[in-house]
Amino acid sequence: AQSVTQLGSHVSVSEGALVLLRCNYSSSVPPYLFWYVQYPNQGLQLLLKYTSAATLVKGINGFEAEFKKSETSFHLTKPSAHMSDAAEYFCAVSGSGGSNYKLTFGKGTLLTVNP
Amino acid sequence: KAGVTQTPRYLIKTRGQQVTLSCSPISGHRSVSWYQQTPGQGLQFLFEYFSETQRNKGNFPGRFSGRQFSNSRSEMNVSTLELGDSALYLCASSQGQGVNEQFFGPGTRLTVL
Repeated sequence: AQSVTQLGSHVSVSEGALVLLRCNYSSSVPPYLFWYVQYPNQGLQLLLKYTSAATLVKGINGFEAEFKKSETSFHLTKPSAHMSDAAEYFCAVSGSGGSNYKLTFGKGTLLTVNP
Repeated sequence: KAGVTQTPRYLIKTRGQQVTLSCSPISGHRSVSWYQQTPGQGLQFLFEYFSETQRNKGNFPGRFSGRQFSNSRSEMNVSTLELGDSALYLCASSQGQGVNEQFFGPGTRLTVL
């Protein structure tokens, strides 16, 4: 079974600082991995996805993530935080084969951006 | 293209009642998934429908059920509501084949009193 662990339920950064949100996965087969963002009172928006092509994945709003198989990690980064990045971020892994359409989410990381 | 729509956005029910939530996927999408989001348990997968058939199911009791219509619209039903069913219920749609790229609706906030 797939699982996702997000290290740090709350991350606080200053505006302009590097954003690093950590995600480790467990999967018995090569996974598909995703990062989603959720703003208050809204649904989830897809930031980026890894589908076994390039290991460095670029997403929207300046975010990117690197798939590291040896470390079973898929950390999300952004070089310079903006106030509008304050939100909750979720890492997710999809199943394989017939369970490909079942997403397993991490607990989420709340990102606070300080002026 | 219009996004995923969910109705209603907010619901208040009392214990023992039942509730039906609706989801309209993005045009052309044939897969609809449902998730429950609570502060304690986070995001949990309920079930997924593809071409009117349940293709995947999560670990929820039988009180939670769903269906999908020929136009890909989906409904989920919760019977005999419990206080613990209070949650944000999210619907997501995708093409249903290939990479699982899901697009989420705004959710229905259910409060059980």
